[in-house]
Amino acid sequence: EPEVTQTPSHQVTQMGQEVILRCVPISNHLYFYWYRQILGQKVEFLVSFYNNEISEKSEIFDDQFSVERPDGSNFTLKIRSTKLEDSAMYFCASSEGVGTVYGYTFGSGTRLTVV
Amino acid sequence: SQQGEEDPQALSIQEGENATMNCSYKTSINNLQWYRQNSGRGLVHLILIRSNEREKHSGRLRVTLDTSKKSSSLLITASRAADTASYFCATDALNDMRFGAGTRLTVKP
Repeated sequence: EPEVTQTPSHQVTQMGQEVILRCVPISNHLYFYWYRQILGQKVEFLVSFYNNEISEKSEIFDDQFSVERPDGSNFTLKIRSTKLEDSAMYFCASSEGVGTVYGYTFGSGTRLTVV
Repeated sequence: SQQGEEDPQALSIQEGENATMNCSYKTSINNLQWYRQNSGRGLVHLILIRSNEREKHSGRLRVTLDTSKKSSSLLITASRAADTASYFCATDALNDMRFGAGTRLTVKP
């Protein structure tokens, strides 16, 4: 069964450093998403991406964050100048059509620890 | 907010029993989805129920949707220890979903 692949599975970074989280969505999917989950809390929407641009973003997704689809297969989330409170699991998801209609396929997540 | 809210927050049952989790939401939806998350791991899509559907089955899973009450329930029948996980409902919001806080289900062998 097709999978969404995320790398790395765990990243530790110093506060203030930049990190790039990588995702390979399912190949025929057109919509891409990033979610995060702070330990013990709910899953929060960050951003959706379609046709090489952001479709929607939440209030969490401020200037510190950016997304990119640098080639035909990768979808990245960059966090500039990380803060301690950025420590969380970050999940990438993709969907064939509008995800709320088709359902989403999630990756296994990247655990980001900011120290 | 269109976020779903699950109830109860935690549920502990014996293997073989049925587990019922509820989700309530605030505004109109196009559909509602249930996801499962094993501790510290990714989210797995379980089932999607559209707003014009009242009930849906998938294996041991049964989902109901009552749009008049803005609520949904997930029933897992004949539970197994491997069903131990957190279960989230998610409601649509334009082009994305919003998740509730989840129900932590523990199935004791």
